[in-house]
Amino acid sequence: QKEVEQDPGPLSVPEGAIVSLNCTYSNSAFQYFMWYRQYSRKGPELLMYTYSSGNKEDGRFTAQVDKSSKYISLFIRDSQPSDSATYLCAMSGSSASKIIFGSGTRLSIRP
Amino acid sequence: ETGVTQSPTHLIKTRGQQVTLRCSSQSGHNTVSWYQQALGQGPQFIFQYYREEENGRGNFPPRFSGLQFPNYSSELNVNALELDDSALYLCASSLVGGQNYGYTFGSGTRLTVV
Repeated sequence: QKEVEQDPGPLSVPEGAIVSLNCTYSNSAFQYFMWYRQYSRKGPELLMYTYSSGNKEDGRFTAQVDKSSKYISLFIRDSQPSDSATYLCAMSGSSASKIIFGSGTRLSIRP
Repeated sequence: ETGVTQSPTHLIKTRGQQVTLRCSSQSGHNTVSWYQQALGQGPQFIFQYYREEENGRGNFPPRFSGLQFPNYSSELNVNALELDDSALYLCASSLVGGQNYGYTFGSGTRLTVV
């Protein structure tokens, strides 16, 4: 079993829809939770990070962490074609330790 | 503020050869991590360097080695290349002990082994 599980998609939604992306994990020592966005032929770009459980909002993006269920989510409101990319969840046990990534979900927003 | 730069952007090598990939960290960052990303997969942790010392290693054989220099730039060396080493190699820098968390990634080096 992988430490971090993520549905690879692809996920295709119409412009303006709310997108929900999810990951599950098995290591209860994880405390830092991140979402990265990766465009084709580019490196991952940090979108959101959260420490421990709770919600965090930044513009159209909301990250949720439920440590009791070992489940994290990223919501994108009012989705735009420019949001089309691969979204990677990632997590680590401390600020100095390695970051473990999910396999990524390919998202396509249809105009 | 400069980002993370990697060189070269693309590389083709023959099985059995050796390769060196280079990375310049984002200004102010003191830690460098290297990741391997196969097509359609998430990045896999190779190793991390902090203050010129290896500070954690993933499940990669010893033929993957690295260096971090006093200016926090870094190299990834791979010996005896195998076909399965074909992947995107990503360098990421971060500031351990800083207020902001998360890595800044470069655009990667696309390595093809033939």
